[in-house]
Amino acid sequence: DQQVKQNSPSLSVQEGRISILNCDYTNSMFDYFLWYKKYPAEGPTFLISISSIKDKNEDGRFTVFLNKSAKHLSLHIVPSQPGDSAVYFCAASAPGFGNEKLTFGTGTRLTIIP
Amino acid sequence: DVKVTQSSRYLVKRTGEKVFLECVQDMDHENMFWYRQDPGLGLRLIYFSYDVKMKEKGDIPEGYSVSREKKERFSLILESASTNQTSMYLCASSLLGGSTSFYNEQFFGPGTRLTVL
Repeated sequence: DQQVKQNSPSLSVQEGRISILNCDYTNSMFDYFLWYKKYPAEGPTFLISISSIKDKNEDGRFTVFLNKSAKHLSLHIVPSQPGDSAVYFCAASAPGFGNEKLTFGTGTRLTIIP
Repeated sequence: DVKVTQSSRYLVKRTGEKVFLECVQDMDHENMFWYRQDPGLGLRLIYFSYDVKMKEKGDIPEGYSVSREKKERFSLILESASTNQTSMYLCASSLLGGSTSFYNEQFFGPGTRLTVL
């Protein structure tokens, strides 16, 4: 049972435009969400996160939005740059000691077209 | 800078062999994790450990075991490798967050591409 879903396996966006990556989750216990970026032959690197007590978090060109009622989050990248081409994973965690494991989505491959 | 290193970038083994994948982190993190990444399936948690000699099953532990004898080192063991264990294996570490809403992100190693023939 996939508790975190990224329904778009791939996305292509023109350089300079906005990239919007989406993620849905089913487990209402999740209270912290993260986005990771992964280049080929490298491990994922942390990009941005959001707690369930917020609905938006910004860091430079990256903004994450959380809609708890819809169990949906999205990552906005503005403006998109060629170096943003990578696979993006959303991840979620639930509270509890020893429960810091993350549940990852299946990933979205973003391609920025110059 | 947190550094997570994995013993091999590429590994080729034969069916039935015992395989050891080693992971070392240098930031004194309590938590360590092993994932596998497969196309269309994302990252799936195999095992994790929040302390020396402690281990917890993840979502897909079958066919794997782990060992954590020292805080900085977490090993993944394939007792008898099979072709369906061909995958990218990723190790990660993080600080112990506790039961509050404070969670540290996980820091990943570069991965080991394992091929079982």
